[in-house]
Amino acid sequence: AQSVTQPDIHITVSEGASLELRCNYSYGATPYLFWYVQSPGQGLQLLLKYFSGDTLVQGIKGFEAEFKRSQSSFNLRKPSVHWSDAAEYFCAVGNAGGTSYGKLTFGQGTILTVHP
Amino acid sequence: ETGVTQSPTHLIKTRGQQVTLRCSSQSGHNTVSWYQQALGQGPQFIFQYYREEENGRGNFPPRFSGLQFPNYSSELNVNALELDDSALYLCASSLGQRSSTDTQYFGPGTRLTVL
Repeated sequence: AQSVTQPDIHITVSEGASLELRCNYSYGATPYLFWYVQSPGQGLQLLLKYFSGDTLVQGIKGFEAEFKRSQSSFNLRKPSVHWSDAAEYFCAVGNAGGTSYGKLTFGQGTILTVHP
Repeated sequence: ETGVTQSPTHLIKTRGQQVTLRCSSQSGHNTVSWYQQALGQGPQFIFQYYREEENGRGNFPPRFSGLQFPNYSSELNVNALELDDSALYLCASSLGQRSSTDTQYFGPGTRLTVL
């Protein structure tokens, strides 16, 4: 069964500092990977996704993520964090076929706090 | 183009009651997925509907049921509510052209509280 682990429950960074959020996945084939962001009381907004090709993907709001098959990881990065980036971030792996195609399995999330 | 909308925004029920949550998919999308997000957790897949038929189900009991209408809007019904059903219920729609690469677009969710 597919699974996603986000090892860091809570991360605090200063505004302007760089950010890396970790994500490890377990999936039997080539994974479809996603990062979503959730602001308090809101739904999920897609930041970026990886299906195939270039292992470094660019997303919205200046975020990028790198797929590393050897490490089963898909870490999210941003070179300079803004106060508005404070939110909860979810990594997810998508079901590649069969029933429930497109079904997303999410990690538990990482809460990002940004200090001024 | 309107996004995914859900109603109601908040709902309070008591144990044993039944609840219906509604979702309008994004224009042109024919697949709807429902997720349950308990406090402090990531969303968990409940089930998915593609062109009015259930297309897979997560690890949820039968008292969680759904429906998709010809206009591709959807309902999630929960019978015999339990305290643990308190959660944010998220609906997501996608183009669903039998492709797992379709991006799912999420609505703002319905916050259900069971007392």
